[in-house]
Amino acid sequence: DGGITQSPKYLFRKEGQNVTLSCEQNLNHDAMYWYRQDPGQGLRLIYYSQIVNDFQKGDIAEGYSVSREKKESFPLTVTSAQKNPTAFYLCASSIVATGELFFGEGSRLTVL
Amino acid sequence: QKEVEQDPGPLSVPEGAIVSLNCTYSNSAFQYFMWYRQYSRKGPELLMYTYSSGNKEDGRFTAQVDKSSKYISLFIRDSQPSDSATYLCAPGGDSGNTPLVFGKGTRLSVIA
Repeated sequence: DGGITQSPKYLFRKEGQNVTLSCEQNLNHDAMYWYRQDPGQGLRLIYYSQIVNDFQKGDIAEGYSVSREKKESFPLTVTSAQKNPTAFYLCASSIVATGELFFGEGSRLTVL
Repeated sequence: QKEVEQDPGPLSVPEGAIVSLNCTYSNSAFQYFMWYRQYSRKGPELLMYTYSSGNKEDGRFTAQVDKSSKYISLFIRDSQPSDSATYLCAPGGDSGNTPLVFGKGTRLSVIA
């Protein structure tokens, strides 16, 4: 089945540690996105990538990093510089120019 | 003024009620208007997609866009407990390659 796979679903991290969230899609979409969701805050864009080897910062990129070495993959690293990393992280993909996003099931990160 | 404003609720209605969910937006260049539904601890899924002004109906759901007043609505007829979720409006498409902008989402509970 075509779709977006995020892993892990739940992740616990100690303060000061970097952690990488995986996102893989087999929809052959060119664009991929990372959003963060906090209670009452809606979806806030962290990074997005329109094509391989290129990505742009979203509204809240500080403390995060991404790479786009393959069309199918767009991993997100939450670095120790991110002050409030506990959140629900959502990866999405789209066919560029239509804007319709397809989401993964999310990864919930908790910093202990 | 924020780009997309959405009343976060929560909104609680009895089963069978008509539900009206609304958003306003500030960017007059938006061309696509989407509504996503998100169940608890899941990724959002596309519910309705509308291009430009007008109405679109799909079963019990009707999406309405008024570009002149920058107002987006989603109506749910004969609401069911299974409609209990968070509904996110998302306008986009001002350049074709700009990511969707999400409202904060309205949490809806339909009580049997």
